[in-house]
Amino acid sequence: AQKVTQAQTEISVVEKEDVTLDCVYETRDTTYYLFWYKQPPSGELVFLIRRNSFDEQNEISGRYSWNFQKSTSSFNFTITASQVVDSAVYFCALRGPEKLVFGKGTKLTVNP
Amino acid sequence: NAGVTQTPKFRVLKTGQSMTLLCAQDMNHEYMYWYRQDPGMGLRLIHYSVGEGTTAKGEVPDGYNVSRLKKQNFLLGLESAAPSQTSVYFCASSYSLWEQYFGPGTRLTVT
Repeated sequence: AQKVTQAQTEISVVEKEDVTLDCVYETRDTTYYLFWYKQPPSGELVFLIRRNSFDEQNEISGRYSWNFQKSTSSFNFTITASQVVDSAVYFCALRGPEKLVFGKGTKLTVNP
Repeated sequence: NAGVTQTPKFRVLKTGQSMTLLCAQDMNHEYMYWYRQDPGMGLRLIHYSVGEGTTAKGEVPDGYNVSRLKKQNFLLGLESAAPSQTSVYFCASSYSLWEQYFGPGTRLTVT
């Protein structure tokens, strides 16, 4: 069975702080994909990143970075110098043969 | 490209009424999905389709039916709405196992 755990339900930070969102996954598949999605207060779901199970390179995109570690089954997301516009619910997801399983999300509030 | 569109955006139903939600995508994706999102539950897969004419059950299929008669459309039907089906419904599509692209959502209230 596949499972994604986002242990942090809510996080509140002050603007310019760095924040890391944790994601731990479980799967028996050897080939799988991991994703992060952002859901701002407007409600739409925005794709942020995809990682496949054979690529453990960390990724950086502007203020966003992702740390994928198969040894600990984790795919953590860090926002550097957070901004108010980063306030959203962030979902980690795991894709097996056909289905995408989502974590329950972490609500991030960035206060000015 | 419009991406993934959903019709309607909002709907209020009375218990026992039926309705159909329409999802359309213009990205020529084979895979399409219907999710529901409830507070504290994240997104849960209702039904999905891996190609025109195919459908399969997801995590929470009871009370819903789907059809994929055309590749670009995926319909979600509620035959007899119940208050427990009050939720926000998202449609998504993807190219194979890659990232899914989501529609804007439909907020459904069943009274």
